Amino acid sequence: SQQGEEDPQALSIQEGENATMNCSYKTSINNLQWYRQNSGRGLVHLILIRSNEREKHSGRLRVTLDTSKKSSSLLITASRAADTASYFCATDYSGGSNYKLTFGKGTLLTVNP
Amino acid sequence: ETGVTQTPRHLVMGMTNKKSLKCEQHLGHNAMYWYKQSAKKPLELMFVYSLEERVENNSVPSRFSPECPNSSHLFLHLHTLQPEDSALYLCASSQGWFETSGAPETQYFGPGTRLLVL
Repeated sequence: SQQGEEDPQALSIQEGENATMNCSYKTSINNLQWYRQNSGRGLVHLILIRSNEREKHSGRLRVTLDTSKKSSSLLITASRAADTASYFCATDYSGGSNYKLTFGKGTLLTVNP
Repeated sequence: ETGVTQTPRHLVMGMTNKKSLKCEQHLGHNAMYWYKQSAKKPLELMFVYSLEERVENNSVPSRFSPECPNSSHLFLHLHTLQPEDSALYLCASSQGWFETSGAPETQYFGPGTRLLVL
């Protein structure tokens, strides 16, 4: 399975601190995406990084990708209480006719005011 | 708002009931998806439709029956469900299906239907 696995499972920080979440996967990928999910809601796309990219920024988000280690990290700087959510990495892979986006179990981030 | 709506938001049903979940996307996308999200488990892809044709069916029990009458609407018909089917059911859409577009696809999710089977 190419399923991404986030680490840690849960993270609790104070407002203003940085939060780092990691994702590891097993097989070669085309792209890796990060999504966010507020409690009991749908997922919202945050950022996509292609397999030939090493780093990408979007506002307070910074994503890195190390294909040699099959891992990615999501850094949220200057966190806010509103960042409290679950964060998922999703990998896509096209092998034969079996393209799909595969999600991990997520990291639950709690930002305390 | 992501442009994907789902109804109902909450549903309680008995094991002998028949119900349907509805998803509608207002984004002009050509691909739509059903996912199941259970506690402590990764998001599970159930079905994929591209241009109203089913392109993926991930060994889902026949008590779940999808329907895609047009590119904007997706239904999930439920019958004779089991308590372990209780979960959050998420609908998503994307511009295209990778096999046709060749491009990475960002998926836009609805808010989900929280289903409880008694």
